[in-house]
Amino acid sequence: GIQVEQSPPDLILQEGANSTLRCNFSDSVNNLQWFHQNPWGQLINLFYIPSGTKQNGRLSATTVATERYSLLYISSSQTTDSGVYFCAVEYRSADGLTFGKGTHLIIQP
Amino acid sequence: DTEVTQTPKHLVMGMTNKKSLKCEQHMGHRAMYWYKQKAKKPPELMFVYSYEKLSINESVPSRFSPECPNSSLLNLHLHALQPEDSALYLCASSQVQVAPLHFGNGTRLTVT
Repeated sequence: GIQVEQSPPDLILQEGANSTLRCNFSDSVNNLQWFHQNPWGQLINLFYIPSGTKQNGRLSATTVATERYSLLYISSSQTTDSGVYFCAVEYRSADGLTFGKGTHLIIQP
Repeated sequence: DTEVTQTPKHLVMGMTNKKSLKCEQHMGHRAMYWYKQKAKKPPELMFVYSYEKLSINESVPSRFSPECPNSSLLNLHLHALQPEDSALYLCASSQVQVAPLHFGNGTRLTVT
């Protein structure tokens, strides 16, 4: 099946810092999404971004499908940004989303 | 608040019990999903229903039995589970199968 690698696995930052999270995938995809799982386990969809660039407030994402990677940018981090960020991809329409192992982000006050 | 509602929030069951997890959405989505998440691991896909038909079954043991009674409801029937089945069970929905996924808050299941 398709492989999804996320980096870094862990990241500790001070409040106000900026960060870039990376997702590499092993094959062309028709579906790529970024999620944030908060410490209580709730999974929130951040972006549906199989290609191109999107922005939502302090967060933005870019997917370069031809080079098989996606980046999630977080600017001016807040403590509420803490949690695990997952990238998930779908190779073919009938496969369902495959999740990467995630980046565990801790924002310290 | 999430628009995908899962009940119960927590469930403790013995290995001989039969229980059901329930999921409901009223966003008019036609694809619904069950994921399983173990501690400190990513969610793993179990089942996908598209237009109320089972479209993906990721080789899940038969002690897990999904059911989609209508386009708004998704159930997961549990029978004769093992302690290693203890996990967070997440329901999700999307407008169609390739579209943004919306998750419920999950049911935390403990099998004793």
